[in-house]
Amino acid sequence: GNSVTQMEGPVTLSEEAFLTINCTYTATGYPSLFWYVQYPGEGLQLLLKATKADDKGSNKGFEATYRKETTSFHLEKGSVQVSDSAVYFCALSGVDSSYKLIFGSGTRLLVRP
Amino acid sequence: ETGVTQSPTHLIKTRGQQVTLRCSSQSGHNTVSWYQQALGQGPQFIFQYYREEENGRGNFPPRFSGLQFPNYSSELNVNALELDDSALYLCASSLDPGSSYEQYFGPGTRLTVT
Repeated sequence: GNSVTQMEGPVTLSEEAFLTINCTYTATGYPSLFWYVQYPGEGLQLLLKATKADDKGSNKGFEATYRKETTSFHLEKGSVQVSDSAVYFCALSGVDSSYKLIFGSGTRLLVRP
Repeated sequence: ETGVTQSPTHLIKTRGQQVTLRCSSQSGHNTVSWYQQALGQGPQFIFQYYREEENGRGNFPPRFSGLQFPNYSSELNVNALELDDSALYLCASSLDPGSSYEQYFGPGTRLTVT
């Protein structure tokens, strides 16, 4: 079936450290891939997306590249800030007519000053 | 432009009761999707409404039902509540179904079943 697997957290980093959160997927066809972020007590916000192989999504210093050969969409940021502390969700859509989002289980990021 | 709103913010119900959650979609959006997020988990798709018709359903029992109104707002109804229904319920709206149309999420309704 269609699914998304993310690295378990929490990921704890010092401010200005390099961030990688791994995400791999299993899907029929050619899904679109997304990273969403959830701050405490809030709903989900779209961080970035990529709709086809080799596309790179980027926003607010975060980047992820759609790798069809490795079925991956790893999230990276060169220098994290305390304000990046949140839960990050990898997701896919486009496997049926509803384009429902299929999410991974989330990775909590804690950035210490 | 008003974003996606949900009501109520929090709700406490007893096992066996029924609950109705409400969602107002963003202006101009005709598609609403509902997701259940259990504590520490990713959101799970419940169902989607597109122009007042159900357009896809996840692996949830029939006691989870919904409606979409002509103004594209939506309700999620859950009958015969169980303890495992305790979760954050998220509503998302979009211009149309389709991955090129971003889903905008509301802040959610926290349901606790005791």
